[in-house]
Amino acid sequence: SQTIHQWPATLVQPVGSPLSLECTVEGTSNPNLYWYRQAAGRGLQLLFYSVGIGQISSEVPQNLSASRPQDRQFILSSKKLLLSDSGFYLCAWERGRVDTQYFGPGTRLTVL
Amino acid sequence: SQQGEEDPQALSIQEGENATMNCSYKTSINNLQWYRQNSGRGLVHLILIRSNEREKHSGRLRVTLDTSKKSSSLLITASRAADTASYFCATVTYNQGGKLIFGQGTELSVKP
Repeated sequence: SQTIHQWPATLVQPVGSPLSLECTVEGTSNPNLYWYRQAAGRGLQLLFYSVGIGQISSEVPQNLSASRPQDRQFILSSKKLLLSDSGFYLCAWERGRVDTQYFGPGTRLTVL
Repeated sequence: SQQGEEDPQALSIQEGENATMNCSYKTSINNLQWYRQNSGRGLVHLILIRSNEREKHSGRLRVTLDTSKKSSSLLITASRAADTASYFCATVTYNQGGKLIFGQGTELSVKP
């Protein structure tokens, strides 16, 4: 069976500090991978998606970047965090064109 | 960009009652999906309905799709306290990249 992991679960960072959130998927190969951000009480905003190693598409210009160094690893980064980067970050995977996405447990980021 | 809009934003019912949530969207779609999110957790896929389908059932869930009205509804019958969660609709349109576009969600509270 497939599982998706995210870490850390929670993170409190000062403004201007760097960020690295990791997402890994087990039990499948060549997944499509997604990063979403969810503000409090709101829906999900797609940030990045990847259909393969080194292939990243950005949906919203912002202070964040993503990388996919391995087939089942997706990393969300920032060089300098802003207050507006606070939120709940969710990683998801999808098997090809099946459309259904499977979400990780999320990372709660608070920027102070 | 936001595609689906859920209605109501919040719903409070008693255990045993039925809960109905609605989703409206703006452009033509290939499928529409419903997801559930428990507080502070990742999303869980509930059901997918394709544009050529009008109704679908899964256990206590019933989803309808009216493409002429660009709307969908999710009915949860005989609700339980454990159904308390936020429910999101998400649409997929292949000629717009095939990504999930989420609505803002309905927060359901089922009181025992």
